[in-house]
Amino acid sequence: EAQVTQNPRYLITVTGKKLTVTCSQNMNHEYMSWYRQDPGLGLRQIYYSMNVEVTDKGDVPEGYKVSRKEKRNFPLILESPSPNQTSLYFCASSFAGGFQETQYFGPGTRLLVL
Amino acid sequence: AQSVAQPEDQVNVAEGNPLTVKCTYSVSGNPYLFWYVQYPNRGLQFLLKYITGDNLVKGSYGFEAEFNKSQTSFHLKKPSALVSDSALYFCAVSPREDSNYQLIWGAGTKLIIKP
Repeated sequence: EAQVTQNPRYLITVTGKKLTVTCSQNMNHEYMSWYRQDPGLGLRQIYYSMNVEVTDKGDVPEGYKVSRKEKRNFPLILESPSPNQTSLYFCASSFAGGFQETQYFGPGTRLLVL
Repeated sequence: AQSVAQPEDQVNVAEGNPLTVKCTYSVSGNPYLFWYVQYPNRGLQFLLKYITGDNLVKGSYGFEAEFNKSQTSFHLKKPSALVSDSALYFCAVSPREDSNYQLIWGAGTKLIIKP
């Protein structure tokens, strides 16, 4: 089954404790992206990757890191989480065929930073 | 600045009635337009998109959307609502001139279908 998986689905942590949220897709997509979803703000892009070893900042990259060492994986790293990073996070992927490509989303990771 | 507006935070519709979820955009050029749906505790799912051609686009689950260039709108519609259509709906726009495939997202509209 074609899918985007994220782990963990739920995470409670404390300020300053480094964490990683994994994202993996099995569709051979070149493009991958991380979003955060907050009430009333819709989706805001954190980072995206056009292909292996190619990453770039989205609209709200502060406090986050990413890497793309393999085509299928795109982990999101919070080196020192803060309460304002409490949010619902989505990973998405698509083919890099142009601006009209449909994105496929993971199930989301709900993060609470105390 | 480029933006997408979903003017209604919530839309309430009785089951069996037609529904409309509104989306307008302010993007230069001729963008690609998308609708995604988010069911409770799930990720977003693609509904439909407008690339070119017929202004009326048909998508999943009986939904359709009408592109209106002069009004820069892309409203989502369904002739007869189902309770199972209750979800959060997002409009998104991809500027064709953009070089990095970024989507500009609306804030979302919560659709509630009452039996």
